[in-house]
Amino acid sequence: GAVVSQHPSRVICKSGTSVKIECRSLDFQATTMFWYRQFPKKSLMLMATSNEGSKATYEQGVEKDKFLINHASLTLSTLTVTSAHPEDSSFYICSAPSGQTRLFFGSGTQLSVL
Amino acid sequence: KQEVTQIPAALSVPEGENLVLNCSFTDSAIYNLQWFRQDPGKGLTSLLLIQSSQREQTSGRLNASLDKSSGRSTLYIAASQPGDSATYLCAVFDSNAGNMLTFGGGTRLMVKP
Repeated sequence: GAVVSQHPSRVICKSGTSVKIECRSLDFQATTMFWYRQFPKKSLMLMATSNEGSKATYEQGVEKDKFLINHASLTLSTLTVTSAHPEDSSFYICSAPSGQTRLFFGSGTQLSVL
Repeated sequence: KQEVTQIPAALSVPEGENLVLNCSFTDSAIYNLQWFRQDPGKGLTSLLLIQSSQREQTSGRLNASLDKSSGRSTLYIAASQPGDSATYLCAVFDSNAGNMLTFGGGTRLMVKP
């Protein structure tokens, strides 16, 4: 099956720093990738849709300047949490569609902002 | 706008019991429905995928059913084991929403030895 690699799996940073999370489709091309956020004991919340070669589409309530998304190639999308604060601490997970109906997920990134 | 609801939110059962997790969705124009498993701090594992034209799918001790007209799906777990303890999420793939899934809130399952 298709594989989506997400890196890093865990990051601890100081408040005010920026953190970049990478999402790669290893054996297929993805013109679209999705970024989700999950709070403890809550379901996934779609943050934005990453589109290769164009601007990302953000869900309502998600700050574009806080969560920068770049989809520069057909196999890589990055999410940068800028000037991270403790309230940004969360589990971030990406996914990419392979074919019409299947979504494959990365293993997630646990972000802790001190 | 599609809304997906899962009941119960949490479930605790003794080992060996058969159990049913429920998922309902408001817009029946779905392309497919998937059940996922998530372990704490981990990503998602796809368990079963049911196409809109199908009624059920089976994998080992898991059986998922789909009644599109009533907007319901169930995940049946037979002979539960402690290793089944996880959060189970259902998600629908909308025909009109591109390649996006709408997730339910999940059911946290605890199987006690």
